Amino acid sequence: DAGVIQSPRHEVTEMGQEVTLRCKPISGHDYLFWYRQTMMRGLELLIYFNNNVPIDDSGMPEDRFSAKMPNASFSTLKIQPSEPRDSAVYFCASSLRQTGNYGYTFGSGTRLTVV
Amino acid sequence: GENVEQHPSTLSVQEGDSAVIKCTYSDSASNYFPWYKQELGKGPQLIIDIRSNVGEKKDQRIAVTLNKTAKHFSLHITETQPEDSAVYFCAARVYSGGYNKLIFGAGTRLAVHP
Repeated sequence: DAGVIQSPRHEVTEMGQEVTLRCKPISGHDYLFWYRQTMMRGLELLIYFNNNVPIDDSGMPEDRFSAKMPNASFSTLKIQPSEPRDSAVYFCASSLRQTGNYGYTFGSGTRLTVV
Repeated sequence: GENVEQHPSTLSVQEGDSAVIKCTYSDSASNYFPWYKQELGKGPQLIIDIRSNVGEKKDQRIAVTLNKTAKHFSLHITETQPEDSAVYFCAARVYSGGYNKLIFGAGTRLAVHP
């Protein structure tokens, strides 16, 4: 398996622009998580899905952030409009709970820079 | 609320020495505690985990211990090597709203000097 695949690896955009981050979870995994990592706040859970349904979006910082999971193999995290304080590394992770394995598999992340 | 505290934030050791990272958690119902290693430019990778029905687990040079009464768990790395240099995260599983999620500590940056 290729693991959790995120794209792009790096994104530089101007303030006010729309940014879309993409994630392909491991095939068969039923949970998908979006995290944001910064030096100041560490790993923050933004939102997670179970069987493509959003379960908890309480970590989404504000209405400028939205996430979708149209099918079991694809999810997006969108920021519109973007601001410099959104600069961070965004990780996607997936897991398969049915096996009793609660560990997550993370992607390589998208480093977002908003200038 | 749900919280995991991790110490120290940075740790510097000489090659061959041992390294210990400690975490405490707040939710007494937590029963699964994984540890992740994050190398530069990569996502966190699961290296070892422990469930609440055991007190210790080993995997070669890595061991984890759990004290449920005190709500403490620790990562022990023996005979450290330069390739152990990375950021390490502890986490605890919490149950909320009918679903489980992991709460992560702030991370420990480990530097192993040759």
